[in-house]
This record gives sequence, C-alpha cells and structure tokens, in this order.
Amino acid sequence: AQSVTQPDARVTVSEGASLQLRCKYSYSATPYLFWYVQYPRQGLQLLLKYYSGDPVVQGVNGFEAEFSKSNSSFHLRKASVHWSDSAVYFCAVSMNTGANTGKLTFGHGTILRVHP
Amino acid sequence: GPKVLQIPSHQIIDMGQMVTLNCDPVSNHLYFYWYKQILGQQMEFLVNFYNGKVMEKSKLFKDQFSVERPDGSYFTLKIQPTALEDSAVYFCASSPVRQNTLYFGAGTRLSVL
Repeated sequence: AQSVTQPDARVTVSEGASLQLRCKYSYSATPYLFWYVQYPRQGLQLLLKYYSGDPVVQGVNGFEAEFSKSNSSFHLRKASVHWSDSAVYFCAVSMNTGANTGKLTFGHGTILRVHP
Repeated sequence: GPKVLQIPSHQIIDMGQMVTLNCDPVSNHLYFYWYKQILGQQMEFLVNFYNGKVMEKSKLFKDQFSVERPDGSYFTLKIQPTALEDSAVYFCASSPVRQNTLYFGAGTRLSVL
C-alpha cells in the first residue's frame, strides 16, 4: 500500500529565510505527487503537482518542489518565506495508473510558522 | 478559484443519532470525495462518487455511512447511527475529471457526544 511521510510535524523559520519541507513516499511505481496548503478555517488549496517530466515543478506564491525517484522524495522549497506562508502543508500521492480513481493518500502535514 | 462549500462548519450530535454533512461542489465537477481527519492524525480517504455511484471506498467507510447527490444538488455524507469514533473533521472534495486536481472544502467538524 502506498504511504506518505512528512518527518517534520512543525517547522519554524524567520521571515525572509529559505524553507524546505520534506516529503517521502512509498509506492511501487512513480505516483502522481501533490503539495496542498491549508490556511486557518479554509479548505486545502493546491500548491503544485508532479505528473511526469522535469523533476522540478513550480507552484503558486514562489513555491517549487523537486521529485527524486532515487530518494522517493518530493520536497517543497521556497527561497524566501513571508509571514503569510504560515499554514499547514500536506504532501499527497495518487496512483499513476489507469485504475486511478483520484484517491489521494496524505501525509500527516507539517505546521509552518513564520516569525515576522 | 473554484470553491467547495461545506455546511455546517461544526455539528454537535448525540451518539446514536443520524447526521447529514452537506457539500456544495464546484458546479461543473463530476467526481466527488469525502475524507476524514481525526484530530492529530492524517487525512484519510473515505469514498469517491461518480455518475450516481460509489466508485471506491475505504475500510473507514462503515455500513452506517452512505453518500448521495440527488438531482445534482448537495453531495451528502450520512451517518446513521453515529458512534463516538465518528468524531472528526470531514472534508469534501470535487474534481472535473478523474485524474485531475481535487478541490477541497474547509471541512465540517463533527462532534459526537
């Protein structure tokens, strides 16, 4: 069964610092990979997704993520964070086959706090 | 961007009663989902629904659970009867096609007393 691990439950950084949120997955093939963000009292919003091709994908608000097949990872990065980036970030995977019903498997999430 | 609305945001109910959670998906979307998140745990897939039918459900989708979307209105999750372990945040999502981005609502917090 596929699984997603986000090893850091909480990350605290200062505004303007760089950021990396880690995500590792366990799956027999290369899955579709996603990062979602949840701001307080809002639904999850898609930041970026990887289906195939260039392993570095760009997302909204200056976020990017890099897929590594050898490391089974899909880490999220941002060069300079803003206090408004404070939120919960979820990594998720889905099957990359014709049998995919759109079901996502989520990590536990990482709570990001940015000091102004 | 497209929005999925969930009503209500918080529901408190006595154990054994029936509850219906309502989801207003994005208007042109065809695939609908429910996810469950117990406090402090990861979000877990419950069920997905297309063309009036359940496509896939997880082991968390107990016999007491049912879903429907009558006449293109709300996509609902009904729990009858409720149990204490049903207390969680339930997230609804929709997508336009099968392997596309899911759009999530803000969740309904269900408290079963």
